[in-house]
Amino acid sequence: EDKVVQSPLSLVVHEGDTVTLNCSYEVTNFRSLLWYKQEKKAPTFLFMLTSSGIEKKSGRLSSILDKKELSSILNITATQTGDSAIYLCAVNNAGNMLTFGGGTRLMVKP
Amino acid sequence: DAGITQSPRHKVTETGTPVTLRCHQTENHRYMYWYRQDPGHGLRLIHYSYGVKDTDKGEVSDGYSVSRSKTEDFLLTLESATSSQTSVYFCAISESKVTDINYGYTFGSGTRLTVV
Repeated sequence: EDKVVQSPLSLVVHEGDTVTLNCSYEVTNFRSLLWYKQEKKAPTFLFMLTSSGIEKKSGRLSSILDKKELSSILNITATQTGDSAIYLCAVNNAGNMLTFGGGTRLMVKP
Repeated sequence: DAGITQSPRHKVTETGTPVTLRCHQTENHRYMYWYRQDPGHGLRLIHYSYGVKDTDKGEVSDGYSVSRSKTEDFLLTLESATSSQTSVYFCAISESKVTDINYGYTFGSGTRLTVV
């Protein structure tokens, strides 16, 4: 059974801090790893990482895939209150299924 | 989200009653999914569809059924609602296999279901 574990469960930081969110996985026939941000409603797509694209960056957010360690990190630098959200990690296997982790709830205080 | 709508947005129902949630898309995507989200569990797949009348079970399918008679609509039915099915339900769509397109799924805004 595919398994995705995220840590920490929750995190409280102050504006300007840098945070690192972790995602580890056990998946048969790994294809890709995805990160989503969920504010009040629907999760929105952030990044997809594959064997051919193990590092992605967008503004203050960046993510790295470590296929050897079966894990990924999501870094957010110079955090802002608008970064407060649940961050979800998901892994895609050989089929068209995404297995999600339990999420990390990030709160950024002014 | 644009192109995918869920209805109703909120529903309170009594234990033992059947409930149907609707997901409607205007993107003509082949794949549609139903997830439930509970604290500490992230998103768990209930059922999915890979075409009209083609559906399959996910990891938490017990007590749920689905139907897809048209490309644009994917219905989730709780046959006899129980309190353990109180949750937020998300529908998602994808055009092709996730690995083929660099954006993953598009999610609807969710349906908050309370079973009392």
